[in-house]
Amino acid sequence: KQEVTQIPAALSVPEGENLVLNCSFTDSAIYNLQWFRQDPGKGLTSLLLIQSSQREQTSGRLNASLDKSSGRSTLYIAASQPGDSATYLCAVISSGSARQLTFGSGTQLTVLP
Amino acid sequence: DGGITQSPKYLFRKEGQNVTLSCEQNLNHDAMYWYRQDPGQGLRLIYYSQIVNDFQKGDIAEGYSVSREKKESFPLTVTSAQKNPTAFYLCASSIPDKRNNEQFFGPGTRLTVL
Repeated sequence: KQEVTQIPAALSVPEGENLVLNCSFTDSAIYNLQWFRQDPGKGLTSLLLIQSSQREQTSGRLNASLDKSSGRSTLYIAASQPGDSATYLCAVISSGSARQLTFGSGTQLTVLP
Repeated sequence: DGGITQSPKYLFRKEGQNVTLSCEQNLNHDAMYWYRQDPGQGLRLIYYSQIVNDFQKGDIAEGYSVSREKKESFPLTVTSAQKNPTAFYLCASSIPDKRNNEQFFGPGTRLTVL
């Protein structure tokens, strides 16, 4: 059964710092990996989706990489801002899973002004 | 303006009562999903539906029921058989493409059992 782990569970950084969030998954047979942002009490906002054949995706200050063979993904946030404070969730769709997302428990990010 | 709507935003239920959470989408997506989120945890799949009039159990379906009579709607009923229903419930939808299956989420419903 696929398991997704995110480290660290919480992270606090000063404004302007570049940072990396980590995600690992146990079964490398995936269709894609998706990074989400969740603000307190809100739904999820999709940030980036990386298909299994891709190595990375970029959107603005965000860059997500995927190493399927080692079961790892990283989300890189450049020049962090207080508005980036949120919980970041990683999720994968495993091959043969009928498009079900398996989620990690998230990294709670606080960017201090 | 396309998107996913969930109602109500907050819901309170007495023990022993069934309640139904609404999820509507106008994105023309075939697939819809219900997830449950508990504090400090990731989301867990309750039920999903890939086409109208068809749905499958997810990892934690016990105590829940769904219907999919219309493409746009996928209501979730939390029955009295669900032992610990207090949680944040999220609905999502996606396009049929398996490799580019980006899921889009609604704003959620917070259910509290009194």
